[in-house]
Amino acid sequence: NAGVMQNPRHLVRRRGQEARLRCSPMKGHSHVYWYRQLPEEGLKFMVYLQKENIIDESGMPKERFSAEFPKEGPSILRIQQVVRGDSAAYFCASSPPTTDTQYFGPGTRLTVL
Amino acid sequence: SQQGEEDPQALSIQEGENATMNCSYKTSINNLQWYRQNSGRGLVHLILIRSNEREKHSGRLRVTLDTSKKSSSLLITASRAADTASYFCATVHYGANNLFFGTGTRLTVIP
Repeated sequence: NAGVMQNPRHLVRRRGQEARLRCSPMKGHSHVYWYRQLPEEGLKFMVYLQKENIIDESGMPKERFSAEFPKEGPSILRIQQVVRGDSAAYFCASSPPTTDTQYFGPGTRLTVL
Repeated sequence: SQQGEEDPQALSIQEGENATMNCSYKTSINNLQWYRQNSGRGLVHLILIRSNEREKHSGRLRVTLDTSKKSSSLLITASRAADTASYFCATVHYGANNLFFGTGTRLTVIP
């Protein structure tokens, strides 16, 4: 059973471009979470999704950020018109419906030039 | 803010010694979890302790929880160089599913 997959592992964008981060949860996991980690800091919750539904987006910036978890395919975190402050590591985690334990992917490191 | 605070921020010990990290939080929790993060890598789940539990063990790890003080500690016994990593506590609050992470303790185990 493969772990949580994230791609790309590293992404470089210029200011104003779009960034698309992908997350494939573990097999059998229907819950996906996105977190952001700034250098030397802990992870901060962004959004919690189940298949085709956003359950909690209280940690998402109101503008430029969106997330989806379609019926088929990976979850996508999309950042439009990136700015330098978006540079961070973005982690995805997944869990099955019946447990509080979240399993983390290796992260995508976004660098905005 | 529901984010936890960890203490110390950094800890350096000799191989074989025990390492203790503390975590405090602000609001009532459903459970508290500890994660390890090696430099530049993802997080690995270590242990989960529920609000009605006081102590839990897993191999060389011992976790305690004091809900009256809103604090938890992680003890790693007989440390190894491979334990070098950042350790984070994370809380799950009633009515929520997401994790609130502490600021982390950076542990260095010197061979």
